[in-house]
Amino acid sequence: SQTIHQWPATLVQPVGSPLSLECTVEGTSNPNLYWYRQAAGRGLQLLFYSVGIGQISSEVPQNLSASRPQDRQFILSSKKLLLSDSGFYLCAWSALDTQYFGPGTRLTVL
Amino acid sequence: EDQVTQSPEALRLQEGESSSLNCSYTVSGLRGLFWYRQDPGKGPEFLFTLYSAGEEKEKERLKATLTKKESFLHITAPKPEDSATYLCAVQAVAGSGGSNYKLTFGKGTLLTVNP
Repeated sequence: SQTIHQWPATLVQPVGSPLSLECTVEGTSNPNLYWYRQAAGRGLQLLFYSVGIGQISSEVPQNLSASRPQDRQFILSSKKLLLSDSGFYLCAWSALDTQYFGPGTRLTVL
Repeated sequence: EDQVTQSPEALRLQEGESSSLNCSYTVSGLRGLFWYRQDPGKGPEFLFTLYSAGEEKEKERLKATLTKKESFLHITAPKPEDSATYLCAVQAVAGSGGSNYKLTFGKGTLLTVNP
C-alpha cells in the first residue's frame, strides 16, 4: 500500500530564515505530487503541483518554491520566511483523480 | 473561477441524531467532487469521490450524494468518533479553464458529536 511521509512535523522559524520541508511517497511510481497550505479560517490552498521529476507548476506567486529531485520526493523551500508563511503545510499524491494527503507540517514564523 | 461553499460552518449533534452537511459548488465543468475528513492537527483523510449528478456513495454511517449544484454528506446515527472537520473539494474538467489536477476546497464544516 501507499504511504506518504512529511517532515518535520512541527517547525518554528524566525522571520528571514530559510525553509525546507520534505515529502516522500512509498508504494507507487510516477505519482502526481502537490503542496497545499492551510491557514486558520481558510480552505486548503494549492501552492505547487508536479507531474514528474523536475516538472513544477506554481498556482500562487509567493515567497516559496518547490522542487522534485526524485520521482517520489517533493521539497518546499523558501530563502527568506515571512510572517505570512505561517500555516499548516500538506503534501499530497495522486495516481488518477483522488489526492491522498500526508500528516502535514505545522510552521510558525516568529 | 471555481468556488466551493460549505454549510453550516459548525454543527453540534447528540449521539444518534442524524443530519446533513451541504457543499455548494460553482465550476465550469465538473470532473469530480471529493469529500475528506480532517482531525485536528492531521492531514485530510479521503472519504468519497462523486462524478455525476445522481451518484451516491456510502461508508459506514456516511452517505454522499451529488446534484448539478451541490453535494450532501448525510450522517446517520453519528457517534462521538465521527467528530471532525469535513472538507468538500471540486476538480474541474481539463480545458475548462482550470488545471487538470487542481482541487478547490471549501472551508469545511466542523462537526461535534456529543455522547
